[in-house]
Amino acid sequence: GAGVSQTPSNKVTEKGKYVELRCDPISGHTALYWYRQSLGQGPEFLIYFQGTGAADDSGLPNDRFFAVRPEGSVSTLKIQRTERGDSAVYLCASSQGDEQFFGPGTRLTVL
Amino acid sequence: AQSVAQPEDQVNVAEGNPLTVKCTYSVSGNPYLFWYVQYPNRGLQFLLKYITGDNLVKGSYGFEAEFNKSQTSFHLKKPSALVSDSALYFCAGRGYQKVTFGTGTKLQVIP
Repeated sequence: GAGVSQTPSNKVTEKGKYVELRCDPISGHTALYWYRQSLGQGPEFLIYFQGTGAADDSGLPNDRFFAVRPEGSVSTLKIQRTERGDSAVYLCASSQGDEQFFGPGTRLTVL
Repeated sequence: AQSVAQPEDQVNVAEGNPLTVKCTYSVSGNPYLFWYVQYPNRGLQFLLKYITGDNLVKGSYGFEAEFNKSQTSFHLKKPSALVSDSALYFCAGRGYQKVTFGTGTKLQVIP
């Protein structure tokens, strides 16, 4: 079956612009996670959904970051007024238990 | 706050020799511990997990990990390294809080 997919694979934007990153989880997985991975670092937790609701959004760095999962499947991570420091690989994972299945990530570059 | 530490940025081992990648943790409650592997330009892949039970956990591709509560460690091991094992390895842990990842260890298996 299909794994977790993320689109786009690469996104280049200018400082101050708005971006949306999409995650398609494995079908049937109720839990969905967003992480951010900077060069040389491990994934940093951003937000966790159980179904449609955000069960834990404590990792979102500030109010420029927002994520939704309106139908309990696809999720969109939204970043407003992007800054150069937002440049990273954004990872999505889904799970139906303890093990998380990761997508290939979206590499965001803010110029 | 919970944390996961991987003290080695890089581990070099000759093909056929045993390998160990170190991980120590500090999480609240009973720890859930994981190892993931990341190949270039690919998403993180689950290797193994410790939830409860036997301290020696066996996972994918011949890897195993030993949970040591007194030393708060969860080192990844393999009896005989393959060149194809060369990749970036991440330890992760969860107690009452979200999953926290270590900074990763690059494993280089030398032919």
